[in-house]
Amino acid sequence: EDQVTQSPEALRLQEGESSSLNCSYTVSGLRGLFWYRQDPGKGPEFLFTLYSAGEEKEKERLKATLTKKESFLHITAPKPEDSATYLCAVLAYNTDKLIFGTGTRLQVFP
Amino acid sequence: SQTIHQWPATLVQPVGSPLSLECTVEGTSNPNLYWYRQAAGRGLQLLFYSVGIGQISSEVPQNLSASRPQDRQFILSSKKLLLSDSGFYLCAWSSPGRDKNEQFFGPGTRLTVL
Repeated sequence: EDQVTQSPEALRLQEGESSSLNCSYTVSGLRGLFWYRQDPGKGPEFLFTLYSAGEEKEKERLKATLTKKESFLHITAPKPEDSATYLCAVLAYNTDKLIFGTGTRLQVFP
Repeated sequence: SQTIHQWPATLVQPVGSPLSLECTVEGTSNPNLYWYRQAAGRGLQLLFYSVGIGQISSEVPQNLSASRPQDRQFILSSKKLLLSDSGFYLCAWSSPGRDKNEQFFGPGTRLTVL
């Protein structure tokens, strides 16, 4: 069964304190892995798509990486405005259905 | 550019009442459309998806139904709401075909069933 596990569930960082969020997955043939940001009471906002192991994508203070079993979302020198829930999802070759993790709730304090 | 709209933004309904949530997409043709529900502390659960007018796939058996009367319109309905239907309902779209797989979400509808 296709599955996505995100850790930690919650993360509190001081402004400027870099860290990483983990997304572990099991899927029968990965077609893509997706990262989203979700602010309270809003829909998820698309961040990155990763297709193959070794691939990296960057956007401002965020960098996503992918291996055959997991993905990391690295946050460098975070700011309070980076506070949000970050969601990971995978898409398998035999389906059009995204499988989401439960997310990591990030809080960055000044 | 593409935009996705959902309404209403919030809804409070009594148990047993009907439901109709609407989603429309602008700036694209023949999109794949999706309905998700997000319960507190849980991941997004796919409810329905559609690859074209009148084509609906159901992922979870329940008292909800979906319809796609027009190319860029997706409707989520219920004849009689249950308490367990409360949650945050999200509509999403993706490009047709299998080359671009990203899904883009609307602002959501917060449904409270009392």
